[in-house]
Amino acid sequence: DTAVSQTPKYLVTQMGNDKSIKCEQNLGHDTMYWYKQDSKKFLKIMFSYNNKELIINETVPNRFSPKSPDKAHLNLHINSLELGDSAVYFCASSLTWDPNQPQHFGDGTRLSIL
Amino acid sequence: DAKTTQPTSMDCAEGRAANLPCNHSTISGNEYVYWYRQIHSQGPQYIIHGLKNNETNEMASLIITEDRKSSTLILPHATLRDTAVYYCIVREDNYGQNFVFGPGTRLSVLP
Repeated sequence: DTAVSQTPKYLVTQMGNDKSIKCEQNLGHDTMYWYKQDSKKFLKIMFSYNNKELIINETVPNRFSPKSPDKAHLNLHINSLELGDSAVYFCASSLTWDPNQPQHFGDGTRLSIL
Repeated sequence: DAKTTQPTSMDCAEGRAANLPCNHSTISGNEYVYWYRQIHSQGPQYIIHGLKNNETNEMASLIITEDRKSSTLILPHATLRDTAVYYCIVREDNYGQNFVFGPGTRLSVLP
């Protein structure tokens, strides 16, 4: 059973389009995250939600808007896509907000902007 | 930027122990050391974490120096499936959730 699942796995689209990436976890975790991995393989946090509430909102363009309809889901909507948005986006979850809890990652969504 | 430095790559013979070093000379007293790995085309996988004491679980052992400025991840009997990029991370802020994964160490387990 997949613990943290993201869809789609690959997303190829043109500049200026709006797209969404979905994430679901079946682990019963309270906290979910979105990360961006750039071409140099650096993985940086973008957003963190705890019990559907936004906790961390790093310096990310406001074209990126996360939405958490319930504890098991954290979706990422991106408006007016730009070339620099090309990256791999990872969703993750942890049991609680406790920083000692390990994070479980999905397999990523590879976003390519043409 | 990541607060850790790791070798870019390492090789290890199958069945032998893989020892992956990490320097974190600016680590503060309440920061934990975490290790994750990323196998090609997959998401990062949690391995182990620790504060001061050495830790062991079913995957690996973590040895932290007494001054906490460096640590070593040990895979006791490396297999071909352990080939991956290994990330050593310390928490970035008081919230403890802002992981910044640096370039890591690319471990190649050779038959």
